[in-house]
Amino acid sequence: AQTVTQSQPEMSVQEAETVTLSCTYDTSESNYYLFWYKQPPSRQMILVIRQEAYKQQNATENRFSVNFQKAAKSFSLKISDSQLGDTAMYFCAFMVGNFNKFYFGSGTKLNVKP
Amino acid sequence: DTEVTQTPKHLVMGMTNKKSLKCEQHMGHRAMYWYKQKAKKPPELMFVYSYEKLSINESVPSRFSPECPNSSLLNLHLHALQPEDSALYLCASSQDTGSSYNEQFFGPGTRLTVL
Repeated sequence: AQTVTQSQPEMSVQEAETVTLSCTYDTSESNYYLFWYKQPPSRQMILVIRQEAYKQQNATENRFSVNFQKAAKSFSLKISDSQLGDTAMYFCAFMVGNFNKFYFGSGTKLNVKP
Repeated sequence: DTEVTQTPKHLVMGMTNKKSLKCEQHMGHRAMYWYKQKAKKPPELMFVYSYEKLSINESVPSRFSPECPNSSLLNLHLHALQPEDSALYLCASSQDTGSSYNEQFFGPGTRLTVL
């Protein structure tokens, strides 16, 4: 069975500071993909960043980066220079190999304060 | 066009009504998905279509009936729904199975209220 756990239901950060959202997963598969999605209030869910399990290098996308620890099955998201527009629900998601099915974590609500 | 569109944005229906939700994408994606999302919860997968064929049905009640008329369109037909079916219904698409470019692109959702 595949599971994704986000242990932080809600977090707050001051504008311009750095915050890290945690995600752990459990699988016996070797070929999988990890994603962070952002869902702003009443707005569309969009992809923030993705990581292929076979790649050792951590993915980065501008202010967003991940710390992928395969042995520990950990996939945390670091947001640098937080902006008010980063306020959203963040979902960690996991997909096995060639299957279309995503497994989502329960989400972390991030509030960026001015 | 890197967009998934959904209509209507909001829908209110009675328990005896029949309605349909529509989803469209023009990115050439061959996999399409329906999710149900309750407030402050993650999306729950309902159905997956791959190359216009139903590939995953997550034991969804028969009052929800998906249809994929072509590679760009996905419908969800609703009949005899219950108040607990009220939720945000999200459509998503991805390139296909077995591809490295497999992230899902989500539509804005249809907010469904069942009275």
